[in-house]
This record gives sequence, structure tokens and C-alpha cells, in this order.
Amino acid sequence: KQEVTQIPAALSVPEGENLVLNCSFTDSAIYNLQWFRQDPGKGLTSLLLIQSSQREQTSGRLNASLDKSSGRSTLYIAASQPGDSATYLCAVLTSGTYKYIFGTGTRLKVLA
Amino acid sequence: DTAVSQTPKYLVTQMGNDKSIKCEQNLGHDTMYWYKQDSKKFLKIMFSYNNKELIINETVPNRFSPKSPDKAHLNLHINSLELGDSAVYFCASSQDVGAGIYEQYFGPGTRLTVT
Repeated sequence: KQEVTQIPAALSVPEGENLVLNCSFTDSAIYNLQWFRQDPGKGLTSLLLIQSSQREQTSGRLNASLDKSSGRSTLYIAASQPGDSATYLCAVLTSGTYKYIFGTGTRLKVLA
Repeated sequence: DTAVSQTPKYLVTQMGNDKSIKCEQNLGHDTMYWYKQDSKKFLKIMFSYNNKELIINETVPNRFSPKSPDKAHLNLHINSLELGDSAVYFCASSQDVGAGIYEQYFGPGTRLTVT
């Protein structure tokens, strides 16, 4: 049974810092991994999707990497800004299923 | 030009009532999902439809019944509401489920409060 964990659960950083969010999963047989952000009281916004055959994806100041063999993904945010404050969620689509399993989320606060 | 929309945004009701939440997507996607986010913000899939066919039916009380009248709509009907049903319910869609190459797009959520 796939389990997805995100560490840390919460993180506060000063503006301008580079930071890394972690996502671990127990079953390495996956189709893809998707990173989302969720603002308070809002829905989820897709940030990046990494297919199982890919090692990383980049969008602006965001870079997501995937290491299937170790069951890990990282989301790197460069030059953080207060507008990056949100909860970041990773979700894994396990091979042979249609179900995305979500992680527990990391609540990020970027201080001005 | 909302991609995935849900109505209502807030729903407050008493125990024992029956209620429905509606979801519509204008992205032309074939697959739609219902998720439940509990008070600890944990998001868990409930149902998924692909081309109006049910493909995921998680361990959800049978008081919950999804209905997909067409590919663009997926509604959730809940009978005999209980206190534990209070949560935020999210609808999502993706172009398809095959090969895992398609992103999911989420609606804004419906906050259900059962009193």
C-alpha cells in the first residue's frame, strides 16, 4: 500500500532564501508524481508533474526532482517570496491504479 | 473561464439531511474525481469517473453516491448526513488516466458543515 510522507510539516524562512521541500513514497512503481500548492480556503493549484521516466521538471523558480529508486522527490524553490506562503502537497500515482495518494503537506511561511 | 467549478462553496446543514454538491469542468477532460479533505488537511480520494464510468470507488459509506450525467459533470449526493461528514470536498479532473502523463486540475472546494 502506497504511503506518502512530507517533511517538514511546517517551515518558516526569511524572504530571499532558497528552500527544499521533501516528499517520500514507499512504493517506487509509480506513473508520476505531482506537486501542488494550496492557499488557505482555496483549491489546489498544480505546480509540476514529473513522469516516472523523468528526473526533474522546472517552472520558473521551481524545480522538482524525482528519484524513484529511493522513493523521493524534492521541490526546490529559489529566492523565496512572501507570495510563496502556502501549503505544498505532493501526490503519487502508483502503477496499476488510477488513484493519486497525497502526502501530508508542508506548510510554508515566507517572512518579509 | 473557470476550469473546474463547484457549487455550493459553503454548505451548512443538520444531521440526517440529504444534500448534493455539483461539479462541472469545461476543459474537455475525460476523467473526474471527488476528494475529501479532513480537518487535518489530509486529502483522500473518494471516487473517480472516466468517460462516465466509475473507475475508483474507495471505502466510502454507501450514503455517498456519485453521479456523472455526462463527461463534464460529476455530482456527489450524500444521504443521512453525519457530523463526521464535515470536511472540504474537492472535485478534480484530468484529461485521461492512461500512462499517468496528465495533470489534475482542482475545483475551489465545498466546505460542508454538519451540525
